[in-house]
Amino acid sequence: DTGVSQDPRHKITKRGQNVTFRCDPISEHNRLYWYRQTLGQGPEFLTYFQNEAQLEKSRLLSDRFSAERPKGSFSTLEIQRTEQGDSAMYLCASSPLGASADTQYFGPGTRLTVL
Amino acid sequence: DAKTTQPPSMDCAEGRAANLPCNHSTISGNEYVYWYRQIHSQGPQYIIHGLKNNETNEMASLIITEDRKSSTLILPHATLRDTAVYYCIVRVHGSSNTGKLIFGQGTTLQVKP
Repeated sequence: DTGVSQDPRHKITKRGQNVTFRCDPISEHNRLYWYRQTLGQGPEFLTYFQNEAQLEKSRLLSDRFSAERPKGSFSTLEIQRTEQGDSAMYLCASSPLGASADTQYFGPGTRLTVL
Repeated sequence: DAKTTQPPSMDCAEGRAANLPCNHSTISGNEYVYWYRQIHSQGPQYIIHGLKNNETNEMASLIITEDRKSSTLILPHATLRDTAVYYCIVRVHGSSNTGKLIFGQGTTLQVKP
């Protein structure tokens, strides 16, 4: 399967713990996005990478959140000192930079539950 | 990016056409209309996009009004697997912007047997 993959699919943690999610985009896709989705709402943009450069961060991305894409391939999203309000589905998407750049391919998401 | 308005929910009988409307009265000349859908517990899936001409692909057809202030996504023969939340998004095209998608709450389409 050459689609976007995310790991883990589900994560249950206790409040105050740190968690890290991984996203593997489609090979050679330059653009990588993280979104967050809470129950009953549409996904909300968190951050954008073009290759290894993080070019945009949403105000939703508080200082407890950090994202990296060290070699321009996979990306990680870390949440420190988790809070119950962080419970959500975290979605990763990728797209190529070029003519079809505006079609994003989403992974299955990581569902985070903070107890 | 322009804001869109969609009905919160719609029903459709299996095998019939599903017509999902979207209003985007503040769309500007360089903004495209995109449709994505999200089946329960999955990530969103791209369906189709267009600027001003009607578009068709293997999944759906997109009809954009002449003034571009509204559009309709048509699933010609809906199946139970088309039950999903459908998002209409308008945005500027091209690599000079980040390409982030601004999702609304979408339309929940329920296809019934």
